Amino acid sequence: LAKTTQPISMDSYEGQEVNITCSHNNIATNDYITWYQQFPSQGPRFIIQGYKTKVTNEVASLFIPADRKSSTLSLPRVSLSDTAVYYCLVGDIRYYGQNFVFGPGTRLSVLP
Amino acid sequence: GAGVSQSPSNKVTEKGKDVELRCDPISGHTALYWYRQSLGQGLEFLIYFQGNSAPDKSGLPSDRFSAERTGGSVSTLTIQRTQQEDSAVYLCASSPPSGTGDNQPQHFGDGTRLSIL
Repeated sequence: LAKTTQPISMDSYEGQEVNITCSHNNIATNDYITWYQQFPSQGPRFIIQGYKTKVTNEVASLFIPADRKSSTLSLPRVSLSDTAVYYCLVGDIRYYGQNFVFGPGTRLSVLP
Repeated sequence: GAGVSQSPSNKVTEKGKDVELRCDPISGHTALYWYRQSLGQGLEFLIYFQGNSAPDKSGLPSDRFSAERTGGSVSTLTIQRTQQEDSAVYLCASSPPSGTGDNQPQHFGDGTRLSIL
C-alpha cells in the first residue's frame, strides 16, 4: 500500500490560496490520488481525484508532477468555511476497501 | 437523491452491552465500507463489501465485531460486549459499480457516534 505523508496542520487567512502537499514516494502504476475534506461531525467528502498532470474542478485543483511521488491540493481564495481536515489517499480505484488508507490528514484553519 | 444514511446518529450504552449500527448506502452502489474514527484521528478501515463477493474483514479489530449486508443494500455493524475503547465515530461509505472507467469516490455518511460508559 502506498503510504502518504502530509502536514499535520496549516493556517491561512481568508482570501488566500492554500496549497497542501502530499508525499507518496511508493505510488504504484495503477494508483490514483484522491483528496477528501472532512468537517467536524460529518463524514469525509470527496474533493478531487487525479492520475497525472493537473486536474481542476469547481472546488479545487490538483497538481501532480511527472514522477507522481507527490501531489498538491490547491484551494483558491479560501474562506472560513474551508476550515476542515484534508486527507490525501493513494490507491488503485479498481480495488477499494482497505486499499485506501486514511492517515491523520491536514487540519486547515482559516482565520479572518 | 439521498446520500449514505447512518443510524442512530448517536448511541450511548453501558460497557458489556451489544450494539447495532445501521448503514443505508446510496441506491445502486455495490461497494460498502465501514470505518472507525477516534477523536482527532484518521479513519481506520474495518470491513468492505463488494457485490456478492465475500467481504474483506481484515480490518475488524476483534471477534466482537461483525457486519452483515443484506440483499446487497443495507448493512449492520454489530459490536458485542462493548468496551470503553470501542468509543468512536463509526462511518459508512458506499461506491458505485467498478469497471466503468469513471472516477468512483467513496460517498460517506455522517457516522454514528458511539459512547461506551
